[in-house]
Amino acid sequence: EVQLVQSGAEVKKPGESLRISCKGSGYSFTSYWISWVRQMPGKGLEWMGRIDPSDSYTNYSPSFQGHVTISADKSISTAYLQWSSLKASDTAMYYCARILPEGYYMDVWGKGTTVTVSS
Amino acid sequence: EIVLTQSPATLSLSPGERATLSCRASQSVSSYLAWYQQKPGQAPRLLIYDASNRATGIPARFSGSGSGTDFTLTISSLEPEDFAVYYCQLLITFGQGTRLEIK
Repeated sequence: EVQLVQSGAEVKKPGESLRISCKGSGYSFTSYWISWVRQMPGKGLEWMGRIDPSDSYTNYSPSFQGHVTISADKSISTAYLQWSSLKASDTAMYYCARILPEGYYMDVWGKGTTVTVSS
Repeated sequence: EIVLTQSPATLSLSPGERATLSCRASQSVSSYLAWYQQKPGQAPRLLIYDASNRATGIPARFSGSGSGTDFTLTISSLEPEDFAVYYCQLLITFGQGTRLEIK
């Protein structure tokens, strides 16, 4: 079964760093890009960026460039999303998703990681 | 930057009825459009890509059409499990969503 398994919920304080993960299984991890999508409480979907796990090449949405870092370790079929200094406004659900070769379409999604940033 | 506008914001229908959801792009986008369904507490699910191609495992009652700036997702006969929020997507942009609720 093709699946993306995300790390568990996180509760952090403003200014702390964080890395969440997304592990792929059931398919060739390096054959599909992985994207990250944010959903703030009660809001819609926002595309953050994507990574090619074969060479770690990344693209970011202008809205998120410089605020987060996307990385991957192909040896363990895992992609990451990280923050160096969290803000309360980073409180959201974060999904990773596999991108179809045709472009930006996302056909397999993780269940999401809830990040809560509060003092 | 392309903006996607979905309408209506909320659609109230009964099971068995036909649902028509709209997504309008601020400029022509050919057919590079997808539709997703999201139920409460769940991740989104890809329904349609390239405007009219059903994703793997998606029932035939879901269909997509359109090109250029105007796109439509049609659910031919609503099942109880179809009541959810629907998003359109072009490249890195999502529409704001249409909530399909039971009347």
